[in-house]
Amino acid sequence: NAGVTQTPKFRILKIGQSMTLQCTQDMNHNYMYWYRQDPGMGLKLIYYSVGAGITDKGEVPNGYNVSRSTTEDFPLRLELAAPSQTSVYFCATSPRQGANTGELFFGEGSRLTVL
Amino acid sequence: DQQVKQNSPSLSVQEGRISILNCDYTNSMFDYFLWYKKYPAEGPTFLISISSIKDKNEDGRFTVFLNKSAKHLSLHIVPSQPGDSAVYFCAARGGSGTYKYIFGTGTRLKVLA
Repeated sequence: NAGVTQTPKFRILKIGQSMTLQCTQDMNHNYMYWYRQDPGMGLKLIYYSVGAGITDKGEVPNGYNVSRSTTEDFPLRLELAAPSQTSVYFCATSPRQGANTGELFFGEGSRLTVL
Repeated sequence: DQQVKQNSPSLSVQEGRISILNCDYTNSMFDYFLWYKKYPAEGPTFLISISSIKDKNEDGRFTVFLNKSAKHLSLHIVPSQPGDSAVYFCAARGGSGTYKYIFGTGTRLKVLA
């Protein structure tokens, strides 16, 4: 049982390049999230989705785009990479709100460096 | 606007003693509060949570206390073990039909053998 899978695990980008961070889950969870964690900081919510076709902005959405065409996949797109986007990115999922613990399930993270 | 705050960036505790990690929040609409543990180069892992309608939840060595009037929650680890050394994040889930989870900045716990 894979859970939440993120690819790539590491990537170095040049300023102005674009890329997509992939996130896929096999738990049939409705809710999916993208967070970034900067050194010494907490996790900041970038975008989230409550189901296929529905996305919404989080705390720090500028410079990113998302789509949710299927329940399983929630890719995060960086269009014009900037050094400020150097971070570790985490994808997370949650079952339908009201589940017992309110737990989020995280992937292992994708470390992105923009030079 | 930091809705979830962890004011102690680090904490050191002797093995076998109690570790107490604190978290404050500002939004009274949060309906769930959670604690996550994170090791370097790994994703956060869920520890324990508490619904906003309760004031205590216990799971083995971990107990979370919620004080709604003070908008404060704490995580107690008893007894602390060296393997508990990690960064602990407090998180809150938006209630009233919102689905956002907001995290604090984390507290690095070091349990000394």
